[in-house]
Amino acid sequence: EAEVAQSPRYKITEKSQAVAFWCDPISGHATLYWYRQILGQGPELLVQFQDESVVDDSQLPKDRFSAERLKGVDSTLKIQPAELGDSAMYLCASSFVPAGETQYFGPGTRLLVL
Amino acid sequence: ILNVEQSPQSLHVQEGDSTNFTCSFPSSNFYALHWYRWETAKSPEALFVMTLNGDEKKKGRISATLNTKEGYSYLYIKGSQPEDSATYLCAPLGSGGSNYKLTFGKGTLLTVNP
Repeated sequence: EAEVAQSPRYKITEKSQAVAFWCDPISGHATLYWYRQILGQGPELLVQFQDESVVDDSQLPKDRFSAERLKGVDSTLKIQPAELGDSAMYLCASSFVPAGETQYFGPGTRLLVL
Repeated sequence: ILNVEQSPQSLHVQEGDSTNFTCSFPSSNFYALHWYRWETAKSPEALFVMTLNGDEKKKGRISATLNTKEGYSYLYIKGSQPEDSATYLCAPLGSGGSNYKLTFGKGTLLTVNP
């Protein structure tokens, strides 16, 4: 069964350092999502791609976060510089089409910023 | 951003008990409701996507109902098993600007004791 891959699974970094997360969606899925889940909260959409284009990045802190999906397949989410408040689970998901379609999630990257 | 409430926040049941949780959401700006199950150290798994008022969906011992007019959905688990232990997330799909996106609740953490 096809799955969404994410790496690393865990990342510990110090504040002010740069971190990057990688996601490989299910083959053929045009829509890719990055979510952040802070402990005790539900996942929140950070950025949504349709192929290589950003559809929604309204909740992405653009002063320190960036995301790209250059060839419309895998994607990278970067934080530079990391802050203590960035400690969270970062989830990637994909779907065949946007809106309403089931989203398939990866296992997430747990980030701890010290 | 939709206000999504899930209750209870957590519950413990014994193996064999039946249980249910609630997801409340604004009845306006509604397009669909997603339910996900998220076991520790695993990827969130899609359970149901529901769209129509009065919808009922079933997957094994788990079922869900939807009332879009009053803005709530119930998730039922019949004869709970230890493997049902997980966080159950609901997420209505609504429009946010030019994009349709999921807004997740904080989840209900279910622990089934053998």
